[in-house]
Amino acid sequence: SAVISQKPSRDICQRGTSLTIQCQVDSQVTMMFWYRQQPGQSLTLIATANQGSEATYESGFVIDKFPISRPNLTFSTLTVSNMSPEDSSIYLCSVGTEVLGNTIYFGEGSWLTVV
Amino acid sequence: GDSVTQMEGPVTLSEEAFLTINCTYTATGYPSLFWYVQYPGEGLQLLLKATKADDKGSNKGFEATYRKETTSFHLEKGSVQVSDSAVYFCALRYSGNTGKLIFGQGTTLQVKP
Repeated sequence: SAVISQKPSRDICQRGTSLTIQCQVDSQVTMMFWYRQQPGQSLTLIATANQGSEATYESGFVIDKFPISRPNLTFSTLTVSNMSPEDSSIYLCSVGTEVLGNTIYFGEGSWLTVV
Repeated sequence: GDSVTQMEGPVTLSEEAFLTINCTYTATGYPSLFWYVQYPGEGLQLLLKATKADDKGSNKGFEATYRKETTSFHLEKGSVQVSDSAVYFCALRYSGNTGKLIFGQGTTLQVKP
């Protein structure tokens, strides 16, 4: 399996501010993804973080709101911009690679509350 | 489009009871199927998986069999413990190997002593 570290693990943010979440993996991975889990809900894919190129966003998510970087095969960041209370969620980084078979592993998540 | 449907929760059981959480899916092609578990205040952990029809995934006493004929992947455990209380998510992964997961809505399990 892969060990995935996310920072921050929890934060309380002011409305209108932006926050960057970091995801660090202990090995090189082909695929990195960012998911959102709103309170009491299931997980929804925000985007696929592509190494060396722009992220691929899912319907309903845009780069201006959720800019993503992936400078190498072990690290990615997700920024939640101009936050509102509706952005209060758990944001999870997930990874996969051929070495891991077809299994996708998740980080512990970053629990954001916007006040 | 592809989708995953789980039984409504919460499911409340007494310790040592038998557990079944139903999961059915709709997909084109031949997806891989997963169960993830989320304990209170934690992230997602992979519980078990199956990659092709008739495969049985198992872990920590939990089992699920990939049934292509009924498009199902029901989670079972013979004797639940209080420590099994969590939210369980069924998910499928596209056979196109994009890595994208489609999740069910999650089922909350509460086990009482």
